[in-house]
Amino acid sequence: DAKTTQPPSMDCAEGRAANLPCNHSTISGNEYVYWYRQIHSQGPQYIIHGLKNNETNEMASLIITEDRKSSTLILPHATLRDTAVYYCIVRTISNFGNEKLTFGTGTRLTIIP
Amino acid sequence: EAQVTQNPRYLITVTGKKLTVTCSQNMNHEYMSWYRQDPGLGLRQIYYSMNVEVTDKGDVPEGYKVSRKEKRNFPLILESPSPNQTSLYFCASSIRAGGVHQPQHFGDGTRLSIL
Repeated sequence: DAKTTQPPSMDCAEGRAANLPCNHSTISGNEYVYWYRQIHSQGPQYIIHGLKNNETNEMASLIITEDRKSSTLILPHATLRDTAVYYCIVRTISNFGNEKLTFGTGTRLTIIP
Repeated sequence: EAQVTQNPRYLITVTGKKLTVTCSQNMNHEYMSWYRQDPGLGLRQIYYSMNVEVTDKGDVPEGYKVSRKEKRNFPLILESPSPNQTSLYFCASSIRAGGVHQPQHFGDGTRLSIL
């Protein structure tokens, strides 16, 4: 399974853009990059995913480098409610169709008032 | 409201006393999965189910059983719980639209303490 590397923690000022990096240098050509976040010990919440192209939705933007070895999640205007642990995941699909999300230890993002 | 519901949310029990954690989803999802979360280890998949009566092991299935008799329910069974199964458990579900997995929806978690 492709591994991801994220900084253990980051701070961001409220109202500013939060940029969370992720390295996934062993990613395969058909593997997607997913981002989830977990607030306290609640269930992980889906944010965004992408394969090659940059993606944007109502929550965030995802920038994937051309070689696909790294990506950046951007929260454009961070609020205090964005304080959470953010997980970058390379999603794998087994031969049996099992979608496995391998969560690492993530980045603990703290939004500073 | 679309949701994945787990029960109980918290449970303290003793070694060897069989327990079941229920998981139910109201989104008609074919795919369901159980994870456990432990400090420093992230979330690890226990079992998954591709559809009714189709289940298979994940990465850490030892000590657990599952069943999928109905599409909406995917209970996790600990026949003889042990202290090393003390953990935070999450159930998740997703749909495969056009053969493509859509993002998984997670429940709010069940915190189990086995004494």
